[in-house]
Amino acid sequence: AQSVTQLDSQVPVFEEAPVELRCNYSSSVSVYLFWYVQYPNQGLQLLLKYLSGSTLVKGINGFEAEFNKSQTSFHLRKPSVHISDTAEYFCAVSLTSYGKLTFGQGTILTVHP
Amino acid sequence: EPEVTQTPSHQVTQMGQEVILRCVPISNHLYFYWYRQILGQKVEFLVSFYNNEISEKSEIFDDQFSVERPDGSNFTLKIRSTKLEDSAMYFCASTGTGGDQPQHFGDGTRLSIL
Repeated sequence: AQSVTQLDSQVPVFEEAPVELRCNYSSSVSVYLFWYVQYPNQGLQLLLKYLSGSTLVKGINGFEAEFNKSQTSFHLRKPSVHISDTAEYFCAVSLTSYGKLTFGQGTILTVHP
Repeated sequence: EPEVTQTPSHQVTQMGQEVILRCVPISNHLYFYWYRQILGQKVEFLVSFYNNEISEKSEIFDDQFSVERPDGSNFTLKIRSTKLEDSAMYFCASTGTGGDQPQHFGDGTRLSIL
């Protein structure tokens, strides 16, 4: 069975600073990888996905993530955050393109002025 | 942009009562899912549904739970006799054909069991 670990439950950062949210996964087979964002009182919105191909994936709102197979990691990065990036971020994996998503615990990103 | 819509946004129910959570997936999507998130915990998969039948379900999805697509647009989750521990945010998701399509989520229904 697959599992996902998000190493930081909370990440505080100042506006315009860079940020990295860490995600490691465990699976005996190849996986699809996703990052979702949840703003207060809203559903989960897809930031980016890795299915195959280039290991550097660019998503919406200036976020990107790098798939590292040897490290089994899929860390999310943004070079300069805004106040509006304050939200909870979830890393997820699935074994197939239509399969269930297995989520990490989530990381609350708080951007301070 | 098409959205997954869920109703109601908040449902308060007495323990032991039946509750039905409703979802309208994106219109051309064929795969449907329910997830839940208990306060302070991770989002957990409940069930997936394709071609009018359950394709996968988790251990959480016991005999108290059922899903249905009663018409061409709605997708429902029924909890037959609610327990206090069913209190959670329930998310519906859908995805279309084409192997690179992600799951699109609704805004959720907050279920409070008293």
